[in-house]
Amino acid sequence: DGGITQSPKYLFRKEGQNVTLSCEQNLNHDAMYWYRQDPGQGLRLIYYSQIVNDFQKGDIAEGYSVSREKKESFPLTVTSAQKNPTAFYLCASSIGQREGDTQYFGPGTRLTVL
Amino acid sequence: GNSVTQMEGPVTLSEEAFLTINCTYTATGYPSLFWYVQYPGEGLQLLLKATKADDKGSNKGFEATYRKETTSFHLEKGSVQVSDSAVYFCALSESNFGNEKLTFGTGTRLTIIP
Repeated sequence: DGGITQSPKYLFRKEGQNVTLSCEQNLNHDAMYWYRQDPGQGLRLIYYSQIVNDFQKGDIAEGYSVSREKKESFPLTVTSAQKNPTAFYLCASSIGQREGDTQYFGPGTRLTVL
Repeated sequence: GNSVTQMEGPVTLSEEAFLTINCTYTATGYPSLFWYVQYPGEGLQLLLKATKADDKGSNKGFEATYRKETTSFHLEKGSVQVSDSAVYFCALSESNFGNEKLTFGTGTRLTIIP
């Protein structure tokens, strides 16, 4: 089955620690995205990548980093510089470079900072 | 910049009632419009989309028409079921040199009671 997987589903982190969230897709999509969702708010774009080895900052990139070494994978690192990291993180992918392109979402990772 | 304004929730309806969730947008160009649905603890699923004015998107009994004159994309369903209980997000994407970025509304929580 084609789709997007995110792991782990739940993640706990102590303050001051970096943590990496996994996102893998087998849809052969060029574009991948990371969003953050907070209660009562819409999704906000953290980073996106249109092609391997290239990525751009979204609206709230501070305190986060990404890499795109393989087409299938787009891991997100939440660094200790992120002031309020507790949130639900969603990864998405799309074919890319097309008007009206549909983004497909993974099941999400809920990060809690203790 | 682009923005999406959604009807405030939560919305509670009885089974078989008629549903409308309002969505209006602000965009500089000619965006594509989407409705996504999120079930508890899950990622977002595309419900329907429309890519140009007067297009109607439809899926699973839900419909929305792209109205450029009123900058709206209201979601409707003639007879809701308990299984429709979820959070619904309106979103727009506008191509920027081939990069499709989604702007989301804050979401509307819908609860259907038997």
